[in-house]
Amino acid sequence: EDQVTQSPEALRLQEGESSSLNCSYTVSGLRGLFWYRQDPGKGPEFLFTLYSAGEEKEKERLKATLTKKESFLHITAPKPEDSATYLCAVTQRGSNYKLTFGKGTLLTVNP
Amino acid sequence: GAVVSQHPSWVICKSGTSVKIECRSLDFQATTMFWYRQFPKQSLMLMATSNEGSKATYEQGVEKDKFLINHASLTLSTLTVTSAHPEDSSFYICSARAGQGGGKAFFGQGTRLTVV
Repeated sequence: EDQVTQSPEALRLQEGESSSLNCSYTVSGLRGLFWYRQDPGKGPEFLFTLYSAGEEKEKERLKATLTKKESFLHITAPKPEDSATYLCAVTQRGSNYKLTFGKGTLLTVNP
Repeated sequence: GAVVSQHPSWVICKSGTSVKIECRSLDFQATTMFWYRQFPKQSLMLMATSNEGSKATYEQGVEKDKFLINHASLTLSTLTVTSAHPEDSSFYICSARAGQGGGKAFFGQGTRLTVV
């Protein structure tokens, strides 16, 4: 069965303390891997799309990387406003771009 | 990024009544729209996929007669929860995908449905 597994489930950091979130996937025919940010009571906000192993993308304090089995979302010197749930999702070839989501990592950044 | 507007953001309805949720892509044409359901502290579960002008494709276990989806134009999809019951209370989220963009989908703000 195709799966997307995120770890850790929850992560608590001090402001400025860099860390990484993990998303491992077991899907056949990966088309793309997506990272989203979700604030409480809101819809997910698009962050990155990665298509092939070795690809990296950056946006402000966030950097996403992709290997053949997993993706990492690196957060450098986080701020309290980075607190949110980070969701990883994949699409497969031939799936009409259907997103399969992981359960997310709840990130809390304390001042 | 592209904007997807979902309305209403919250709704309370009585058991047995129907509720309609709208999802609009404001600045692009959405060839495909998706409807998700999210329970507290859970991830998004896909309910159905709809392409403009055709019938929606429902995920296994989702009652198509209960959750009616209409994708009448390239910018509008609606989800109607018919004969709602308290167990239908949840957070419903739509997303829209343009023809270009490699599968990138943009999400609405979500609708909190409470059935009393």
